[in-house]
Amino acid sequence: GAGVSQSPRYKVAKRGQDVALRCDPISGHVSLFWYQQALGQGPEFLTYFQNEAQLDKSGLPSDRFFAERPEGSVSTLKIQRTQQEDSAVYLCASSLGLAGKGTEAFFGQGTRLTVV
Amino acid sequence: QQQVKQSPQSLIVQKGGISIINCAYENTAFDYFPWYQQFPGKGPALLIAIRPDVSEKKEGRFTISFNKSAKQFSLHIMDSQPGDSATYFCAASPIKAAGNKLTFGGGTRVLVKP
Repeated sequence: GAGVSQSPRYKVAKRGQDVALRCDPISGHVSLFWYQQALGQGPEFLTYFQNEAQLDKSGLPSDRFFAERPEGSVSTLKIQRTQQEDSAVYLCASSLGLAGKGTEAFFGQGTRLTVV
Repeated sequence: QQQVKQSPQSLIVQKGGISIINCAYENTAFDYFPWYQQFPGKGPALLIAIRPDVSEKKEGRFTISFNKSAKQFSLHIMDSQPGDSATYFCAASPIKAAGNKLTFGGGTRVLVKP
């Protein structure tokens, strides 16, 4: 596609419900990132994939958060037993992922998750 | 922990004026410093980026100034236009690492008055 696509754009979940957020990166992009952006704040890193390998998950806030990219393209971020503090915009970004080069990260429009 | 500190949180500038946003970082491993522009309901979009081997980079009305010894960098928006009204984020990453994980500042909301 022309850009990074995320779905759904908006998700309202009841506290305790499980949610799954989808990211379609730009075709051919090796690197894929998930970020969490709380209201009025900068994005914060959650996890990073290089193809299908999850190389860094240091930003995942708890074991309720799980991400996968099984075929090295589409990625899913899953949040189990959602809590109110999980309410945020979840951004996906992809890049060519060439080590040693400042390749541009392209962001999707994000999924706004509201936990009620 | 906030490894990239950004100021001010917001600013108002008249059309044609200069907007200046400052950032400071702590991690000396950072060597790639991009600025992102974000409109409401949209994802961040890369505006301009700099590496520490240069002290200034200019693209159109946007200029990054970089001070490696002070570990500070800033964005100047010249001849600000109402369409520049957005939130701006500085960021930093260690370029040598694969993946270029970005650490963002807290953001500056810019309002350009016509």
